[in-house]
Amino acid sequence: NAGVTQTPKFQVLKTGQSMTLQCAQDMNHNSMYWYRQDPGMGLRLIYYSASEGTTDKGEVPNGYNVSRLNKREFSLRLESAAPSQTSVYFCASRAAGYGTDTQYFGPGTRLTVL
Amino acid sequence: GDSVTQMEGPVTLSEEAFLTINCTYTATGYPSLFWYVQYPGEGLQLLLKATKADDKGSNKGFEATYRKETTSFHLEKGSVQVSDSAVYFCALSNAGGTSYGKLTFGQGTILTVHP
Repeated sequence: NAGVTQTPKFQVLKTGQSMTLQCAQDMNHNSMYWYRQDPGMGLRLIYYSASEGTTDKGEVPNGYNVSRLNKREFSLRLESAAPSQTSVYFCASRAAGYGTDTQYFGPGTRLTVL
Repeated sequence: GDSVTQMEGPVTLSEEAFLTINCTYTATGYPSLFWYVQYPGEGLQLLLKATKADDKGSNKGFEATYRKETTSFHLEKGSVQVSDSAVYFCALSNAGGTSYGKLTFGQGTILTVHP
């Protein structure tokens, strides 16, 4: 099993450009999440998908959109990138049900917006 | 809302020293508590967890006890190694209500262990 995979690993954008970060999991998990990691601030939730076909905003959703394409895939889109979106982005997934609250993380995408 | 506070870092220790990283939380209900570790250039890995009061999570020589009375989940290790150098995150998951099990993280503590 690959677990949670993310592409690309690194990306440099100019202000105003758009891009989509891809995430896929092969653990048959229902819930998926996108976080951003900034120095001294831990990880903050951008969007999540509790199950296939649903998405909801997290703490810092402005400037982002998401698509839960199917049970495996959850993408994050930046429509018009800004320097404030320079960060490391992590995707995570979680099984459903009582006692299964552990999230599994991908390796991350390091994004720089110039 | 829910929140997690970790001790300020970075922490620098010599090999075989004792490690404590403090973590306290604020949450409604009965959250699960986690420690995640991030090695350089990698994603987060679950280190240990505890799902109810007085539970002790342990893994790779690390331990943490869920103390509801002090709302704490401090991470300890008796003898650290150079390979333990990483960033450590305390987190909670409040699966009740509409939170859908999302994690709330502390700010992270950088640990550096010297030979």
